[in-house]
Amino acid sequence: DARVTQTPRDKVTEMGQEVTMRCQPILGHNTVFWYRQTMMQGLELLAYFRNRAPLDDSGMPKDRFSAEMPDATLATLKIQPSEPRDSAVYFCASGPGQGYNEQFFGPGTRLTVL
Amino acid sequence: AQKVTQAQTEISVVEKEDVTLDCVYETRDTTYYLFWYKQPPSGELVFLIRRNSFDEQNEISGRYSWNFQKSTSSFNFTITASQVVDSAVYFCALSEAGGSYIPTFGRGTSLIVHP
Repeated sequence: DARVTQTPRDKVTEMGQEVTMRCQPILGHNTVFWYRQTMMQGLELLAYFRNRAPLDDSGMPKDRFSAEMPDATLATLKIQPSEPRDSAVYFCASGPGQGYNEQFFGPGTRLTVL
Repeated sequence: AQKVTQAQTEISVVEKEDVTLDCVYETRDTTYYLFWYKQPPSGELVFLIRRNSFDEQNEISGRYSWNFQKSTSSFNFTITASQVVDSAVYFCALSEAGGSYIPTFGRGTSLIVHP
């Protein structure tokens, strides 16, 4: 049963520290998404990759966030330096074909920045 | 402008009641896709259904049914004979051809089914 995996599942860090979240998309999926979920803002799209190329990262704070796909089996989301307002659940999702197909979500990384 | 509106923030029902979750969308594209996802308390979003703009046929899957009406820009979701396991947050989403299929999610509707 193919699933999207994310590590770590939980992360507690102090303000100013670098945070790296990793995602392994489902093998064969060529679209990858990063989302942030908070009570206040709901589900926000941070980055969207197709065939490893970034198609949209307009929802991502550029000064501190970066998203990459070093290869087809790994997507990373980095925050440097982290701030308390970054505390949220970060989801990775992958999908086949184009963005109009369904997405398969990972379990999320719960980030707490103190 | 919000493209996907789920006006119901929270719905509370008693088991076996029918419940409808509303989704209203906004787009100028003629080609677009609509989705529903379920987020149970465990946290992971699960895909439920996808509909394209050229297919207004309603769909039924067990206790779940979806009503797609382009005339009112709505894609509503009905659960018949609700069960406690249906308790979750449900998200409606839109992907437009003109927007490179970048997905837009609604704010979600929290459904609580009481025994």
